Amino acid sequence: DAGVTQSPTHLIKTRGQQVTLRCSPKSGHDTVSWYQQALGQGPQFIFQYYEEEERQRGNFPDRFSGHQYPNYSSELNVNALLLGDSALYLCASSLASGLTFNYGYTFGSGTRLTVV
Amino acid sequence: AQKVTQAQTEISVVEKEDVTLDCVYETRDTTYYLFWYKQPPSGELVFLIRRNSFDEQNEISGRYSWNFQKSTSSFNFTITASQVVDSAVYFCALSAVDSWGKLQFGAGTQVVVTP
Repeated sequence: DAGVTQSPTHLIKTRGQQVTLRCSPKSGHDTVSWYQQALGQGPQFIFQYYEEEERQRGNFPDRFSGHQYPNYSSELNVNALLLGDSALYLCASSLASGLTFNYGYTFGSGTRLTVV
Repeated sequence: AQKVTQAQTEISVVEKEDVTLDCVYETRDTTYYLFWYKQPPSGELVFLIRRNSFDEQNEISGRYSWNFQKSTSSFNFTITASQVVDSAVYFCALSAVDSWGKLQFGAGTQVVVTP
């Protein structure tokens, strides 16, 4: 049973460019959340997708956007990259019914984004 | 607003010693959930334990135990008889009951277990 799969694992981009990160949720999961983890810090919630719509969002600018497809996979897009966007981006999946009772997520291994 | 504080940045122990990780939280919610996650060098966050705010019973699960004290807003985590494979960053996290699982993480504590 595959867990959460993220691609690519590592990425280097230039300031001002745009990037797309991809996530395939664990089999059977329908909700995807994205977290940004800067070096030496805890993950910060970016947003959550359910039924192909953004259900809730953290304190991140509009440069961060996302999408969820009918097969529940998801993308995170970041426009106009800044040096401060360098971080590990974690995707987490769950069942919506499980989140009602805060059963928690299954996390992927993340995409390490470096902006130069 | 929610806040999770892990004051210990790094703890180093010798194998077989016990390790206790401190976590203090702030929330205005009356009902919430607390979690501990482990992040090995590979990067993925591994779920360890979950505790709801209306159940202060402390439990032991294998080599893991936790001490939840609502009166002091603390949720400490202990690894008994540590092993080298326990070396990782450990995160305490908080989630309000109506937040659809949105997690507020602490900054993490690096645990280093040497043989």
